[in-house]
Amino acid sequence: QSVLTQPPSASGTPGQRVTISCSGSGSNIGSNTVNWYQQLPGTAPKLLIYFNNQRPSGVPDRFSGSKSGTSASLAISGLQSDDEADYYCASWDDSLNGYVFGTGTKVTVL
Amino acid sequence: EVQLVESGGGLVQPGGSLRLSCVASGFIFSTYEMNWVRQAPGKGLEWVSYISSSNVIYYADSVKGRFTISRDNATLYLQMNSLRAEDTALYYCARRLRLDYWGQGTLVTVSS
Repeated sequence: QSVLTQPPSASGTPGQRVTISCSGSGSNIGSNTVNWYQQLPGTAPKLLIYFNNQRPSGVPDRFSGSKSGTSASLAISGLQSDDEADYYCASWDDSLNGYVFGTGTKVTVL
Repeated sequence: EVQLVESGGGLVQPGGSLRLSCVASGFIFSTYEMNWVRQAPGKGLEWVSYISSSNVIYYADSVKGRFTISRDNATLYLQMNSLRAEDTALYYCARRLRLDYWGQGTLVTVSS
């Protein structure tokens, strides 16, 4: 059972900005950094954002992350058809002594 | 180039055992922490286990006491015992706690 809560879906037209929220608690997001992953259909997940707002090399700057208190968000600007995927947030949880994922958000480009 | 290649998945009966392997290349394996993450068919991601470069180990509550993570020179392992239907999933290995590189996964199906 996921400890981090995300909206099940989000959508936008090409070029629009889409934001995905991730809600946690003091033992996870409130105390640790947040990572985001993109999973294209039929493929392994890919690290999109780490340490709340850092992009690995090769990830376009259209993707940005932020964190405030016990919540985090991922923004995708200039939405493209290639961005259709499932997106997951994740963070370490000090109470569980484990890494926890969000429930996942399916992004659809209309 | 960093590469992670999992193997060892298959069909097993409830109560059975499997040992998964993840062969790493393209980086100094002994200096990196590693993880197992799984994804049940049509479901989200679930972290399974972590092992540091110095063998500090953590498990998800759902597998504690049944699964054992280990490593050697360039291979990560997951020994899975007392398997249940709910362990059916695609199992990925991934590098570092931020999970910066992932393998393609190996499918474990627990069914009679």
